[in-house]
Amino acid sequence: GAVVSQHPSWVICKSGTSVKIECRSLDFQATTMFWYRQFPKQSLMLMATSNEGSKATYEQGVEKDKFLINHASLTLSTLTVTSAHPEDSSFYICSASGPPMNTEAFFGQGTRLTVV
Amino acid sequence: KQEVTQIPAALSVPEGENLVLNCSFTDSAIYNLQWFRQDPGKGLTSLLLIQSSQREQTSGRLNASLDKSSGRSTLYIAASQPGDSATYLCAVPDRGSTLGRLYFGRGTQLTVWP
Repeated sequence: GAVVSQHPSWVICKSGTSVKIECRSLDFQATTMFWYRQFPKQSLMLMATSNEGSKATYEQGVEKDKFLINHASLTLSTLTVTSAHPEDSSFYICSASGPPMNTEAFFGQGTRLTVV
Repeated sequence: KQEVTQIPAALSVPEGENLVLNCSFTDSAIYNLQWFRQDPGKGLTSLLLIQSSQREQTSGRLNASLDKSSGRSTLYIAASQPGDSATYLCAVPDRGSTLGRLYFGRGTQLTVWP
């Protein structure tokens, strides 16, 4: 299968600061990337969908000004959590899809964010 | 919007048992269904992807079946081992979508003890 690399795998930040998470497709062109969030004991919930070169589409209830998504190239998407608060502490994971495997998405390793 | 339910939420068994994990979804107009494994604090490992035209897929000791009309999928794990301990997630895409956006169940947390 295709490889998606997510960095960092974990991060601890102070309340009020911003954190950037990177998601890279290593061996294919990711025309679409998805960002999910998973709170403890909960299922993964889609936050936003980004297509290369376009603005991201956010799910209902997800603040686009707080969770900034950039998908400027076919191999890289970034999620920036701005002015992070303790309630933003969660597991964030990206997935990517692109030709010729458009019907399957490949997941990164995830990022554990803790805001103190 | 899809609603995905997984039963049981947790399962604890001795090594060697054959297991059945269940997944149900509300909208049967799907192109595929995927089973994942998630280890604590880790990302997802894709186990099996079943296309809507298929009824089952097998990989080693794992076998997944799909009954689209009833909105159900089952993951069978044969001869379970302690290394199988993890959370197993079922996921389906949007109705009629092939874009890779997925709806997940809450998972079945499996513990296999020696």
